[in-house]
Amino acid sequence: QKEVEQNSGPLSVPEGAIASLNCTYSDRGSQSFFWYRQYSGKSPELIMSIYSNGDKEDGRFTAQLNKASQYVSLLIRDSQPSDSATYLCAVTPRGGSTLGRLYFGRGTQLTVWP
Amino acid sequence: EAGVVQSPRYKIIEKKQPVAFWCNPISGHNTLYWYRQNLGQGPELLIRYENEEAVDDSQLPKDRFSAERLKGVDSTLKIQPAELGDSAVYLCASSFRGNTIYFGEGSWLTVV
Repeated sequence: QKEVEQNSGPLSVPEGAIASLNCTYSDRGSQSFFWYRQYSGKSPELIMSIYSNGDKEDGRFTAQLNKASQYVSLLIRDSQPSDSATYLCAVTPRGGSTLGRLYFGRGTQLTVWP
Repeated sequence: EAGVVQSPRYKIIEKKQPVAFWCNPISGHNTLYWYRQNLGQGPELLIRYENEEAVDDSQLPKDRFSAERLKGVDSTLKIQPAELGDSAVYLCASSFRGNTIYFGEGSWLTVV
């Protein structure tokens, strides 16, 4: 069983603050890590991917990966009301028959209030 | 470039009735996925195709669910007969050789 755990929230931050979203995974062999954003009633949209330990920045988004701790996080700087959505953490396993399969957490609901 | 296209977007059926969902992946994407997302949960993989071959269908409830991907392009997911617990969003997704996965808008199923 490959589990991906996220706090379901809701997480509420004021506009302009930093939102911090966390995710842990059980399969130590997991290779690829993704953050998807899902607006209510819409499909998941990829916003960040990370494959090696450390930080990866893209605009206001920073993904952080610590494979030793089996932990991945997403920081959103200067949060905007338009960032209000559910954020899904997803991982892919080491390989074999499950190569290419994404395992998702249940998502963290983020609300950014003006 | 067109994204992943799914139809119908919404479907309400009575239990024990059949239902089918259709998916057209992004042009050139050889990998196609069907995911199911229950309310408040993350998507769960039902089946994954590499071209026309189903390479990962361990999570597909084969007693009532079936899928096909003829000619390695479009795909159809069928449920027969539907049960109340099948109410969910059925997401089709595609990728090129297992790289970045792009989702369609989903087909929302309500079984009453």
